[in-house]
Amino acid sequence: DGGITQSPKYLFRKEGQNVTLSCEQNLNHDAMYWYRQDPGQGLRLIYYSQIVNDFQKGDIAEGYSVSREKKESFPLTVTSAQKNPTAFYLCASRRGEVANTEAFFGQGTRLTVV
Amino acid sequence: GENVEQHPSTLSVQEGDSAVIKCTYSDSASNYFPWYKQELGKRPQLIIDIRSNVGEKKDQRIAVTLNKTAKHFSLHITETQPEDSAVYFCAASISWRAGNMLTFGGGTRLMVKP
Repeated sequence: DGGITQSPKYLFRKEGQNVTLSCEQNLNHDAMYWYRQDPGQGLRLIYYSQIVNDFQKGDIAEGYSVSREKKESFPLTVTSAQKNPTAFYLCASRRGEVANTEAFFGQGTRLTVV
Repeated sequence: GENVEQHPSTLSVQEGDSAVIKCTYSDSASNYFPWYKQELGKRPQLIIDIRSNVGEKKDQRIAVTLNKTAKHFSLHITETQPEDSAVYFCAASISWRAGNMLTFGGGTRLMVKP
């Protein structure tokens, strides 16, 4: 069953801690993306990766880090430098080599700082 | 970079009526315009998309129109049903630009009253 999977669904973080959100896809997609969604707002791009071992900052990269060691995986680390990390995080993937294709989203991770 | 604005932010209609959501984009190089539907707590899913070489596309009760000169595109839903209630996002991307990432509008919460 092909798709894109995020884990965990819910995550609680204490202030000052780093946490890592998992994103795995078996769609053989080259491009992967991380978006942040705040209540009543749109999706804002955090980081994206077009190919293994390469990634670029999006519009709101400060306080976040990523890695792309495998084509299937694009984990996001929310660091203690992120001042307001409570949000809904969505990972997406897309066939990077083909223009204008559908982006598939994971089911999201809701991160709450306690 | 690209900027996408979406209106209205909330829309309430009676079941059976039509709903129209409008988006404008800033970068004339944008050439792909998808619409996503997000039900509460779930992942966004593509409902329809349009490329810059066509002006209109229809799929059953939903249609999208594109005006490249004015840099705006719209989603039309006819004969609305309660299950159409969700948040709708428009997006734009430039296929040949590095990253080919989608820039999203702020979303429209559509409520269909029975």
